[in-house]
Amino acid sequence: GAVVSQHPSRVICKSGTSVKIECRSLDFQATTMFWYRQFPKKSLMLMATSNEGSKATYEQGVEKDKFLINHASLTLSTLTVTSAHPEDSSFYICSASPVENTEAFFGQGTRLTVV
Amino acid sequence: AQSVTQLDSHVSVSEGTPVLLRCNYSSSYSPSLFWYVQHPNKGLQLLLKYTSAATLVKGINGFEAEFKKSETSFHLTKPSAHMSDAAEYFCVVSDLGGGSNYKLTFGKGTLLTVNP
Repeated sequence: GAVVSQHPSRVICKSGTSVKIECRSLDFQATTMFWYRQFPKKSLMLMATSNEGSKATYEQGVEKDKFLINHASLTLSTLTVTSAHPEDSSFYICSASPVENTEAFFGQGTRLTVV
Repeated sequence: AQSVTQLDSHVSVSEGTPVLLRCNYSSSYSPSLFWYVQHPNKGLQLLLKYTSAATLVKGINGFEAEFKKSETSFHLTKPSAHMSDAAEYFCVVSDLGGGSNYKLTFGKGTLLTVNP
C-alpha cells in the first residue's frame, strides 16, 4: 500500500516557540492531505484539510493563525504550531489519499509536548 | 452529513474467544466504511474497508466486517482473539458521494483488551 511519512515522531519544545511537523506521501501524489489532533484516550479530531497550491480549509474552532498549514507540493504538507503552549500538547496525525483511491493512509503521528 | 457511533468504549475478551466491536453509521450518500487499528503512540493501520462491493469484507489479521444497510451497521468481528489484537479500534465513514473528497468521520473508538 501507499506510504505516508510523518516527521518528527516526537518533539518537546518550550512554551512560546514554534514547531513544524512534516507529512510526506512517499510513493504517490496527494492534492489533499488532512491533519488530525488526538487527545489522550480520545478519537481523532479533524483540524484542517490541506490543499496543494491553495489555502487550507480549517474546521470550526481551529485557529488558523495558531496552526499554520502549507501544502507546497503534491507530496508534502507541513503543520506549524506557532507560539506553542502546554495546552497544545497532543498527538498530531496526518493522512493522505492517492487520487482515485478511497483509502486514507496515515502517518505514524507526532507526539508534541510543550513545557 | 455523516456520523459514526461505536457502541462500546471498551471491550474485554479472553485470548482465543471471539471479538465483536460494534459500529453504526449515518450517511446521506452511499458510504465507504473503514475499520482502523491504533496501537499506543502509533499511527493508524487499515484493517479493512467497504466501498460498495461485497457486503462481507475480509481484512488483515483475521478480522472481517459485514455491511448491513438495513441496520446501518458495520460491526467488526474476529473468531479468535490474540494478545496482539489489544489496541484501539476506530470505525470510520467517508461520504465520497457527497463531494467530501475523502473527508473521514471517526467514531470515538473502542479499546480492546485481551486477557490471557
